[in-house]
Amino acid sequence: DTGVSQNPRHKITKRGQNVTFRCDPISEHNRLYWYRQTLGQGPEFLTYFQNEAQLEKSRLLSDRFSAERPKGSFSTLEIQRTEQGDSAMYLCASSTLFSNQPQHFGDGTRLSIL
Amino acid sequence: GQQLNQSPQSMFIQEGEDVSMNCTSSSIFNTWLWYKQEPGEGPVLLIALYKAGELTSNGRLTAQFGITRKDSFLNISASIPSDVGIYFCAGPNDYKLSFGAGTTVTVRA
Repeated sequence: DTGVSQNPRHKITKRGQNVTFRCDPISEHNRLYWYRQTLGQGPEFLTYFQNEAQLEKSRLLSDRFSAERPKGSFSTLEIQRTEQGDSAMYLCASSTLFSNQPQHFGDGTRLSIL
Repeated sequence: GQQLNQSPQSMFIQEGEDVSMNCTSSSIFNTWLWYKQEPGEGPVLLIALYKAGELTSNGRLTAQFGITRKDSFLNISASIPSDVGIYFCAGPNDYKLSFGAGTTVTVRA
């Protein structure tokens, strides 16, 4: 059973650098979600794809953030000109199209900004 | 957005004890989800609830969907060391999930 896969698991970078994360969802899942989680909090929604279409972006997703899902399979999340406040765990989840089907999460990418 | 409040925030439990935690919302949900997260990992789905009043079990875990649709409860029976982790409740607003801040469970051997 292949679950949601995220790479890299950890990323340490200097402030001002660009970073890109990858998410491979469960293969039959059409919907893909990105969340951000900071210490002591639950995950917060960032953005959502249905197939290749990005259907919603949260207010948390500033102009420095961009997400793509070019062929409706894997997705990338890029952060440009990283800031200290971007340090967090970035989680990807996927689900089927059925509204009552729960989301399944990957193990996340932990980003640390020096 | 919707606010989910979990209590207690943390708990220390003795191995073998039964424990309960709950989650309340300012809004009605049609689905309640309970996830568990361990250090360095993503949340893992434990139980999904789809109907008000529903009681669902998964091994030693039992969760209930409150009648008002604004709350849910999770019980762990006969706790063991591997129950350590953070338990999150979540409710969907269309396709996106709102999470509580979690209940951290630590087991004393």
